[in-house]
Amino acid sequence: AQSVTQLDSHVSVSEGTPVLLRCNYSSSYSPSLFWYVQHPNKGLQLLLKYTSAATLVKGINGFEAEFKKSETSFHLTKPSAHMSDAAEYFCVVAGGYQKVTFGTGTKLQVIP
Amino acid sequence: EAQVTQNPRYLITVTGKKLTVTCSQNMNHEYMSWYRQDPGLGLRQIYYSMNVEVTDKGDVPEGYKVSRKEKRNFPLILESPSPNQTSLYFCASSPALLGGGYEQYFGPGTRLTVT
Repeated sequence: AQSVTQLDSHVSVSEGTPVLLRCNYSSSYSPSLFWYVQHPNKGLQLLLKYTSAATLVKGINGFEAEFKKSETSFHLTKPSAHMSDAAEYFCVVAGGYQKVTFGTGTKLQVIP
Repeated sequence: EAQVTQNPRYLITVTGKKLTVTCSQNMNHEYMSWYRQDPGLGLRQIYYSMNVEVTDKGDVPEGYKVSRKEKRNFPLILESPSPNQTSLYFCASSPALLGGGYEQYFGPGTRLTVT
């Protein structure tokens, strides 16, 4: 069995300040973890993925995530928010039996 | 251009009228999947397929059917739609099995309304 918990349904930051979107997971297998972004009325785009190669993963648009096995976390960060980062972000776990589990999403608001 | 296409993009239908949402990918991907997205619930997996003629249930398969007769196509069938199937549906494909960290490529979505 596997599950994903996104700890905040909404996050609001000022432009130019750091972003932290939190994700905890559970999995009976060594999981692959992903962050996807969905801009309003758009499809889903991959930000980054963890596949057991390196615990600190760099993605597009300045986003990073760190895999912490001891904490079962995969939090998404960005040093400085931009207005274009306003979107909904999904943490995703893929593991055994090829099932995919999405978190419920975090809506990021960026205040000018 | 490598892509996943879905048709139709928008559909309004009535309860009980059978419908099919098509999904096609041109990347020769083995893995395909259907999701529904509802506010506050994220995306939930309906069915997935690891190859031709190999399909399996996701977390919310009730009321849906799928088939995978060709590698590129993975249609979603609602034999008797009900209002609780009103949702935004996404098809996705991946080059290989997801445990290896392969990302999924998503279609543009199909917004279905059942009245």
